[in-house]
Amino acid sequence: SQQGEEDPQALSIQEGENATMNCSYKTSINNLQWYRQNSGRGLVHLILIRSNEREKHSGRLRVTLDTSKKSSSLLITASRAADTASYFCATAETYNFNKFYFGSGTKLNVKP
Amino acid sequence: GAVVSQHPSWVICKSGTSVKIECRSLDFQATTMFWYRQFPKQSLMLMATSNEGSKATYEQGVEKDKFLINHASLTLSTLTVTSAHPEDSSFYICSARDWGGFSGAAGEQFFGPGTRLTVL
Repeated sequence: SQQGEEDPQALSIQEGENATMNCSYKTSINNLQWYRQNSGRGLVHLILIRSNEREKHSGRLRVTLDTSKKSSSLLITASRAADTASYFCATAETYNFNKFYFGSGTKLNVKP
Repeated sequence: GAVVSQHPSWVICKSGTSVKIECRSLDFQATTMFWYRQFPKQSLMLMATSNEGSKATYEQGVEKDKFLINHASLTLSTLTVTSAHPEDSSFYICSARDWGGFSGAAGEQFFGPGTRLTVL
């Protein structure tokens, strides 16, 4: 990818379980954002975390950011079958924050 | 949130023809729009930055003569795939950022629903 990698590439869990996805990036960033994409569809913005933040919550989502390790994680708690999708992190660089570079994505399958 | 539309949502064309894809910001002005390409089961790759009233900036490895970008107004950017070939078949997604002033804070980008191009 242009910016970094996500792991795992694929994750399969049972409904009700928690799902954790990790994202690593390469450059200094202004912010990091997570998006969801259902198969063959557009992107849905989930959450934005700025470089001076360490943790952020939104409903069942929890995002952490460790700028020293250039990594972020997305935790989805109490997963639902409707959470089945691909999840991407995107970073906006410090000195060129208009551009987004996407990670390789994690394909999440939540089994009912 | 702000809405970005794309037209068409899908297109099938013969090899050698040119295809134009439109990206519109519906309820805000976007001085800058971005074009991405996504191959099946892969991530989004930034192709170019479209600037209203000036030339687009292309990412390394993207042919500017192949992918023509025109940002004619504050609400419309177009991507034209010239002389399309089967290897150009992909999902093309645009995004736009609402101009929030000179605060310097980077915010959310709003993505269009994408256009699926199939070149036969």
